[in-house]
Amino acid sequence: QKEVEQDPGPLSVPEGAIVSLNCTYSNSAFQYFMWYRQYSRKGPELLMYTYSSGNKEDGRFTAQVDKSSKYISLFIRDSQPSDSATYLCAMRVGGSEKLVFGKGTKLTVNP
Amino acid sequence: SAVISQKPSRDICQRGTSLTIQCQVDSQVTMMFWYRQQPGQSLTLIATANQGSEATYESGFVIDKFPISRPNLTFSTLTVSNMSPEDSSIYLCSVEGGTGEQETQYFGPGTRLLVL
Repeated sequence: QKEVEQDPGPLSVPEGAIVSLNCTYSNSAFQYFMWYRQYSRKGPELLMYTYSSGNKEDGRFTAQVDKSSKYISLFIRDSQPSDSATYLCAMRVGGSEKLVFGKGTKLTVNP
Repeated sequence: SAVISQKPSRDICQRGTSLTIQCQVDSQVTMMFWYRQQPGQSLTLIATANQGSEATYESGFVIDKFPISRPNLTFSTLTVSNMSPEDSSIYLCSVEGGTGEQETQYFGPGTRLLVL
């Protein structure tokens, strides 16, 4: 079993839809959880950062962490064509700089 | 966050040759990281490079294949040696940013390598 599992999609939604992206993980020691967005031919950019369990909201984006289920989610409200990108989840253990990534989910928002 | 640049942005190389990728940061950073992103695969850490010490390689990656230099706090190179088509990938460098619980990594734009 991989440490981090992420459905690669692709996922195609109409503009304005609510998008749900998810990752599961096996290492209960992970404490820090991140979502990166990667546009085509660009490097990943940090989108959301969450420590331990709970929710974090930033504009149209909400990150959720459920450590009891080893499950993290990213919700995008009122999705826009500019949200079309690959979304990577990443996580790390406290005290370690090493990030473990999911494979990424490719999202297309159609106008 | 730091501004990170990489050179070259892309290259096409012949098997058996080597390519050196440069990573430049606009501020001094302690740790720099090199990743490989193969199609359909997770972003995978190759090695961690601290200034003034040998790079630390992850399982499955060796110094002879991926020698790394870190001559100062703003620059690093990764060499992909004796390349084969299996080395075709995107290579990314990253640096640590933020403080305390907000520490994470910020990435450069990547180098797209095709080996024929």
